[in-house]
Amino acid sequence: GQNIDQPTEMTATEGAIVQINCTYQTSGFNGLFWYQQHAGEAPTFLSYNVLDGLEEKGRFSSFLSRSKGYSYLLLKELQMKDSASYLCAVMDSNYQLIWGAGTKLIIKP
Amino acid sequence: IAGITQAPTSQILAAGRRMTLRCTQDMRHNAMYWYRQDLGLGLRLIHYSNTAGTTGKGEVPDGYSVSRANTDDFPLTLASAVPSQTSVYFCASRLATSTDTQYFGPGTRLTVL
Repeated sequence: GQNIDQPTEMTATEGAIVQINCTYQTSGFNGLFWYQQHAGEAPTFLSYNVLDGLEEKGRFSSFLSRSKGYSYLLLKELQMKDSASYLCAVMDSNYQLIWGAGTKLIIKP
Repeated sequence: IAGITQAPTSQILAAGRRMTLRCTQDMRHNAMYWYRQDLGLGLRLIHYSNTAGTTGKGEVPDGYSVSRANTDDFPLTLASAVPSQTSVYFCASRLATSTDTQYFGPGTRLTVL
């Protein structure tokens, strides 16, 4: 079956760095997406990885290892507005997105 | 309109009633999707449409139907609502059925009593 695993909840301190991990087992792989979702709102796109390595975009970076079925989202210089859920999704061989349950990130001052 | 709109924003519905959730996009995206999001389960695909005139079943299609008469609109119908269909429903779209980013509407919060 297809499976995406990520931690349910994480807590970090304002100004610090946090890494949110995602492991996956899917039928085929056409890329991995990270989305941010604030409470009561729609998911918004953060990053896309299809090749191994690190993609950096401002304070956010995303890493992919296809051989290990593993990705992480790295958030630097955490701000209170980064408190949200972070969703990992893999595009399978049918180009459909398979979603993880999301990681709720709590930022403390 | 800019992006994807959904209506209604929220709805309380009696079990057994018929309900249509509306979704409209103005980005001329070919592919559209309906998801439900439940606590602890993540987003689950209900139905999708790769292009106007075609539809397909996702992971959890039972109890739901869709139509895609044109590019812009993708309504989701619950023929006879049941309490287990209480959820937040998101419509999404992307330009093509490839690795393009999916964009989401604001969601509809549905409660079936």
